[in-house]
Amino acid sequence: SQKIEQNSEALNIQEGKTATLTCNYTNYSPAYLQWYRQDPGRGPVFLLLIRENEKEKRKERLKVTFDTTLKQSLFHITASQPADSATYLCALERRGGYNKLIFGAGTRLAVHP
Amino acid sequence: EAGVAQSPRYKIIEKRQSVAFWCNPISGHATLYWYQQILGQGPKLLIQFQNNGVVDDSQLPKDRFSAERLKGVDSTLKIQPAKLEDSAVYLCASSSGTGYPDSPLHFGNGTRLTVT
Repeated sequence: SQKIEQNSEALNIQEGKTATLTCNYTNYSPAYLQWYRQDPGRGPVFLLLIRENEKEKRKERLKVTFDTTLKQSLFHITASQPADSATYLCALERRGGYNKLIFGAGTRLAVHP
Repeated sequence: EAGVAQSPRYKIIEKRQSVAFWCNPISGHATLYWYQQILGQGPKLLIQFQNNGVVDDSQLPKDRFSAERLKGVDSTLKIQPAKLEDSAVYLCASSSGTGYPDSPLHFGNGTRLTVT
């Protein structure tokens, strides 16, 4: 069956460092992948989208890569700040799935001053 | 633009009672989703509407859950009767949908349901 895996353990990093979060998937051939941020008590907020024919996407301090051979996406936050502390979710669209997104469990990021 | 509105924000009920959640999507968004998010897990899709038609309800427990989207705008999700395992946050999301298959989802802040 289709599976999406994100690091279940929280990622703790120092302010100013680069945070790297991983999203792996199996039994899946998504047309695109999206990353969302979720703060406690709030709904997820869209950050970035990357399509299967794109290797990398950037937006300000954020960078996403998509390796369809490894079936993996990496999400990077450079020059991290305490305000970046949140849970980050990856979501994959099932090919031909009418924009139906399947979410991973998310990775909690804590950036310490 | 105004975001996705959901109500109520919190709800506590006893098992076997019924409950309803309401969602008003972003104006003009054709696609509406209901997700269930259990603590520590990612959102799980329950049902997806395109305008007022159901696109996918394969993971909706239809013996107790029902949803409707009247006139292709607002939507309600109902649980009757509730079970303890229904305790979760129920998230509504919308996207522009038609013509934009990869458009991002805009989420409301959810309804936190506790079943005792």
